[in-house]
Amino acid sequence: AQSVAQPEDQVNVAEGNPLTVKCTYSVSGNPYLFWYVQYPNRGLQFLLKYITGDNLVKGSYGFEAEFNKSQTSFHLKKPSALVSDSALYFCAVRETPGSARQLTFGSGTQLTVLP
Amino acid sequence: GAGVSQSPSNKVTEKGKDVELRCDPISGHTALYWYRQSLGQGLEFLIYFQGNSAPDKSGLPSDRFSAERTGGSVSTLTIQRTQQEDSAVYLCASSPGPVSQETQYFGPGTRLLVL
Repeated sequence: AQSVAQPEDQVNVAEGNPLTVKCTYSVSGNPYLFWYVQYPNRGLQFLLKYITGDNLVKGSYGFEAEFNKSQTSFHLKKPSALVSDSALYFCAVRETPGSARQLTFGSGTQLTVLP
Repeated sequence: GAGVSQSPSNKVTEKGKDVELRCDPISGHTALYWYRQSLGQGLEFLIYFQGNSAPDKSGLPSDRFSAERTGGSVSTLTIQRTQQEDSAVYLCASSPGPVSQETQYFGPGTRLLVL
């Protein structure tokens, strides 16, 4: 079975400071990992994904994430936070090989960037 | 190009009534997913379509929930005899095909409130 944990419900960071949103996963095989962002009253927007290869993945809006197999983590990072980054962030996993096609999501982390 | 669209954006109904939620996937995407987002439950998978077939209905919470897809495009999620616990945001996503590494792109969701 596949599962994801986002240990922090809320992360606050000052504008201009680096931000990290944590994610750990559990799968039987290998993971495909995704980050999505959700703004109020909107659907989920895709940020980035890890499939294979380089452990550091770069995505939209200056976000990046590092895949760490030994720690089963896929933390989202950004070197300098913007107030406009304030939103709800979801980590998701799908394991391979596996018959499940759906994503399993974490509970979400509310990021607030303070001016 | 156009993204995933869903209608209605908001739906208020009385307990016991039936509702239909519609999803228009990205043109050419053969895989379609329904998820439910509710407070305290996070994002839950409901059903997956590949073409017009639904190989995975494992997430449907009860037999009051059903879904169909016609012409390999539009999908309708039907909830019969709605209950208050059905109140949630229903999200639809599509991806180019069934390959598990493909990104799912989400619509804006339908916010359902059952009174």
